[in-house]
Amino acid sequence: DAKTTQPPSMDCAEGRAANLPCNHSTISGNEYVYWYRQIHSQGPQYIIHGLKNNETNEMASLIITEDRKSSTLILPHATLRDTAVYYCIVRVNLQGAQKLVFGQGTRLTINP
Amino acid sequence: DAGITQSPRYKITETGRQVTLMCHQTWSHSYMFWYRQDLGHGLRLIYYSAAADITDKGEVPDGYVVSRSKTENFPLTLESATRSQTSVYFCASSDSLTVATNEKLFFGSGTQLSVL
Repeated sequence: DAKTTQPPSMDCAEGRAANLPCNHSTISGNEYVYWYRQIHSQGPQYIIHGLKNNETNEMASLIITEDRKSSTLILPHATLRDTAVYYCIVRVNLQGAQKLVFGQGTRLTINP
Repeated sequence: DAGITQSPRYKITETGRQVTLMCHQTWSHSYMFWYRQDLGHGLRLIYYSAAADITDKGEVPDGYVVSRSKTENFPLTLESATRSQTSVYFCASSDSLTVATNEKLFFGSGTQLSVL
């Protein structure tokens, strides 16, 4: 399974775009990139995922490089409620099973 | 919409005792998972289940037992609790593993277990 590398912490001003990088240089062709976040004392929450193309939903945008070795999660207008630990995860689609490998994540702090 | 619920929310037990953590989901999701979360290790997969009566080991299965007699329940048992099993345990479920259905993992609120 591919592993991911993320900075341990980041800060961002409220109202600005938060750009969270993730390195997954050993990713293989069939592995998807997933992003989850965990707000203190809660279970992780799904944000977005992608394979090759950039993706956008109501929560965030995901930019994946052409070689797929890295990606960036973008929160376009960060709010205080976006303060959380953000996990970049590579999923391996096995026959009949799924394995998500969670790394240490990035602790994002949104400052007023 | 109850979703996925875990019980108890907090549990204190002693070394050597048997402990069962409960997980119940109301969506009839096929897949269910148990993770533990420790400082310095992030989330680690203990066991997962693809359907009733089908379970498989994750990254850290030693010391744990699971069962899945009904689709909606996925209990995790520590047969003889050890201090190293002090952790926060999260249960999760998913309705599919195919890209076409854009599957997501839905997590419960967690059980904080302390083994003294």
